[in-house]
Amino acid sequence: NAGVTQTPKFRVLKTGQSMTLLCAQDMNHEYMYWYRQDPGMGLRLIHYSVGEGTTAKGEVPDGYNVSRLKKQNFLLGLESAAPSQTSVYFCASSDGTSGGRETQYFGPGTRLLVL
Amino acid sequence: GQSLEQPSEVTAVEGAIVQINCTYQTSGFYGLSWYQQHDGGAPTFLSYNALDGLEETGRFSSFLSRSDSYGYLLLQELQMKDSASYFCAVPGSARQLTFGSGTQLTVLP
Repeated sequence: NAGVTQTPKFRVLKTGQSMTLLCAQDMNHEYMYWYRQDPGMGLRLIHYSVGEGTTAKGEVPDGYNVSRLKKQNFLLGLESAAPSQTSVYFCASSDGTSGGRETQYFGPGTRLLVL
Repeated sequence: GQSLEQPSEVTAVEGAIVQINCTYQTSGFYGLSWYQQHDGGAPTFLSYNALDGLEETGRFSSFLSRSDSYGYLLLQELQMKDSASYFCAVPGSARQLTFGSGTQLTVLP
């Protein structure tokens, strides 16, 4: 049981390049999330999904797209990377039940540097 | 919108007790969560309060007062390994989390 995994762990991009970050979970969770974390700040929600085939915008969605074609995978895309997207990206999942006593399980993060 | 405020830094000595406060403003409230994050690591869940009062889990306790829009995380018998960042967070209608900016706890020997 690997929990939540993220690929890649680290990436350097040039401005204007595109890339896709992959998140996978093996806990059969319905809900998945993408956050970014910048120095001295908490995590900010980019996009989220409440089930296979569904996605919704979070607090900072501009410049990102997502897809949830399979329940276990949640992809985050950067179509044209900008230096402002230099950050650590965390994926998380939760089962959406437990009567509100939610626990989100986080992946190890992807460190992205845009030059 | 939602916003949470917590102190940026707290320092304490090993074996002591420390309290990390969190005040929040939300358009709809479901509960208050706490997460721990070590340097370079992923956030991990510590506790969740949906109702007023104190929840205890080992050396960690969390308190909530809905009427005051306030909560705190209490860490007892501090250990060096407790040095980390601690985040309060509130879930939205889809359980998506809005985080505070985090409190860096330094435990001194």
